[in-house]
Parts: sequence; structure tokens; C-alpha cells
Amino acid sequence: EPEVTQTPSHQVTQMGQEVILRCVPISNHLYFYWYRQILGQKVEFLVSFYNNEISEKSEIFDDQFSVERPDGSNFTLKIRSTKLEDSAMYFCASSETGFFGYTFGSGTRLTVV
Amino acid sequence: AQKVTQAQTEISVVEKEDVTLDCVYETRDTTYYLFWYKQPPSGELVFLIRRNSFDEQNEISGRYSWNFQKSTSSFNFTITASQVVDSAVYFCALSDQGGSQGNLIFGKGTKLSVKP
Repeated sequence: EPEVTQTPSHQVTQMGQEVILRCVPISNHLYFYWYRQILGQKVEFLVSFYNNEISEKSEIFDDQFSVERPDGSNFTLKIRSTKLEDSAMYFCASSETGFFGYTFGSGTRLTVV
Repeated sequence: AQKVTQAQTEISVVEKEDVTLDCVYETRDTTYYLFWYKQPPSGELVFLIRRNSFDEQNEISGRYSWNFQKSTSSFNFTITASQVVDSAVYFCALSDQGGSQGNLIFGKGTKLSVKP
């Protein structure tokens, strides 16, 4: 069964450092997403991406965040200057359309120290 | 505004008991999708079901069943004869046309503990 692959599974970074989280969506999917889950809390939408541009973003997705699809297969989330409160599990997802085939990756646990 | 409420924060049952997890949603759209996900201690999100707003038939999959009631804006999830492996956090989620690209709005989750 096709899956969304996220790397790394765990990342520890120092406060103020830039971090890039990587995702390989399912190959025929057109919509891509990032979500965040702070430990013990609910999963929160960050951003959706379609046709090589951001289609929607939440209040959480401020200027410190950016997304990119650099080579037609990877989908990345960059946090420019990490803060302690960025520590969370970050999930990538992709879908065929906005509603169908929605598949989450297994997540990257980011710890900012 | 879209919203998903899972009023039960934690539920603890003994193995073989039936348990129902509640989910109440709010949306102004007539077309929307509802989801349930399981998050085991390992942390990944495991897809359980997607239901669209035009299909109110209840669904059963093995020990799992879902009761969708538009009249009460609820999409409840029942596990019959619970097992220890069912212990996890369960999230209900909503996707409607307001989130035009299918962004999911999650509830806060219900932590289910099944004791032997």
C-alpha cells in the first residue's frame, strides 16, 4: 500500500537553529499538508499546498515557517529559527483530491533544546 | 466556524467491555467529511474511517462501528468487545468546503485505556 514517508523520525535541534523536515508524498497525490501535534494535545493544521503554492495556512504558520516542493517528489517544511514551543510531532499528509485518499506519514518528532 | 468536540478526555474499560467514543461537530457546509483516526503510543495516525455528509448509513467493520446522525451532528464510534490493543488516543476530524483543500479539523482526542 502506498505510504507517505517522513524523515527524520526524530530530530533534536538547538533553539534558534533552522530545521527542515522532509516528506515524500504518495506519487499521484496532488494536495499536500503539514500538521503539528504538541505533546498530549490535538493535531493542528498548519498549511496546505497545491499546484506549487500554498492554498491555505493557519495562524500557527507564521513567517518562521515555509514549505517547498523542490524537486517534484519531496515536500519540505522549514522552520527558520526554532523556538522551544516548536517542539512537537509534525505530520505530513497527502491526498488525491481534497477529500479522498488522505494519508498521513508517521511523523517527525522535533525537540528544540 | 468549524469545530469538533470530543467531550470524553479519557475512558478506562476492562477488556471485553463495549465502549463508545463521542464526537460532535459543527459546520455550516452541507458537504463535509468526517474521519476517525487512532493514535497508538508509537505516535502515528492510523486511519479508521471516512464518511461523507450524504451517507448516513451506519458502518460496521469487525469490532468497530460508527453511528452518524446528522440531526444531532454526531459521529460516534463504538468498539465492541474491547481488547488491550485498542488502547490508544482516538481522534475525530472534520473536513468541509470551508477548508477547500481538505484541511482536517481535529477534536482534542479521547484516550482509551483497556485493562486486561
